[in-house]
Amino acid sequence: DGGITQSPKYLFRKEGQNVTLSCEQNLNHDAMYWYRQDPGQGLRLIYYSQIVNDFQKGDIAEGYSVSREKKESFPLTVTSAQKNPTAFYLCASSPRLDGETQYFGPGTRLLVL
Amino acid sequence: AQRVTQPEKLLSVFKGAPVELKCNYSYSGSPELFWYVQYSRQRLQLLLRHISRESIKGFTADLNKGETSFHLKKPFAQEEDSAMYYCALSGSGSARQLTFGSGTQLTVLP
Repeated sequence: DGGITQSPKYLFRKEGQNVTLSCEQNLNHDAMYWYRQDPGQGLRLIYYSQIVNDFQKGDIAEGYSVSREKKESFPLTVTSAQKNPTAFYLCASSPRLDGETQYFGPGTRLLVL
Repeated sequence: AQRVTQPEKLLSVFKGAPVELKCNYSYSGSPELFWYVQYSRQRLQLLLRHISRESIKGFTADLNKGETSFHLKKPFAQEEDSAMYYCALSGSGSARQLTFGSGTQLTVLP
């Protein structure tokens, strides 16, 4: 373990509130990813970034936003536009966006109050 | 578009029995296939990838391009193999990011 950290472990969101999930890696990886994990649906890609100051939408980007100002950090904001935010969120990184093995963080569980 | 299908949500076998977790994919080019595993209270981690042709923890997987399958097999299941298993595909060009299947929860019974 280690290498990729996510915080907090649990996060509670009120209606209409934006919340930000943290993801940090010290592996010197260029590529980083955010996935949403729901029971029975596997992992779905929200956003990914190949390099600093660049990111791309994944399959389910609506209601989410990201930034990549530093190589080691890739925070995810769940906005009020995301109507069903309750899920387990996983961050991952890989040396490059090129079929490389991805390394996963421990996850953040987001719950709506 | 690329797609990965794992037809079994749940799979139970007895200890010592053979196990096969099915994975089928849809992709027009040459894919790279992976199996990831998530043990209880642990992080999702790579189990094996087809390009390395390794056997990890007794598991093997062969890429069958004719049947577009990448089934995961182990001849003698152990209780510690109980976990959630995800098959994943990486394409090429603009499709290099991983696409995951919905996962199979394997339970190995004593």
